[in-house]
Amino acid sequence: SQQGEEDPQALSIQEGENATMNCSYKTSINNLQWYRQNSGRGLVHLILIRSNEREKHSGRLRVTLDTSKKSSSLLITASRAADTASYFCATVSGSARQLTFGSGTQLTVLP
Amino acid sequence: GAGVSQTPSNKVTEKGKYVELRCDPISGHTALYWYRQSLGQGPEFLIYFQGTGAADDSGLPNDRFFAVRPEGSVSTLKIQRTERGDSAVYLCASSSQGSLTEAFFGQGTRLTVV
Repeated sequence: SQQGEEDPQALSIQEGENATMNCSYKTSINNLQWYRQNSGRGLVHLILIRSNEREKHSGRLRVTLDTSKKSSSLLITASRAADTASYFCATVSGSARQLTFGSGTQLTVLP
Repeated sequence: GAGVSQTPSNKVTEKGKYVELRCDPISGHTALYWYRQSLGQGPEFLIYFQGTGAADDSGLPNDRFFAVRPEGSVSTLKIQRTERGDSAVYLCASSSQGSLTEAFFGQGTRLTVV
């Protein structure tokens, strides 16, 4: 089963614009992670935010976490064509030891 | 090695056959995960190893699926009596501290059952 659900399922923007993707989850979490995947193969870790954190930055990435709403958002600023990929949120809940992934957002950045 | 290595990268097998998929994690990583991903979906958890033991195998879909990690490093996912529904990309990941830290994924094995 998948705990997280990303929104939107697909997003198409122009290069230079910002892209925002949202993730909602169902149970309380220890941490939430965002991953990127190109061409349906290996995933690359982008950023991890812990349950006691509200916001985190890494380069052009900004992640927020609202545990009261059980939601997170990933913002990519000044997008580039190379940012085109699928983006997944993954949660770690309670005593669970595994990452539980959402269904992903397909981002297309048009040059 | 520098990253997680999975072999083979592609595997085509006939329905009913047995397959083994291999994962070489990053050296020193004690946690190892197997996931399965179908087209257009997020990765689906199969099994998690901490060291040599399977700490959580709740994601294995049925008893045709089995995984081992005998020396706490390389892991093999074994699928018996393959079915067409087993076709997917099988992803392996490792991490240094389980789910508390980032996981490093391999490029996956694309399994096609014909």
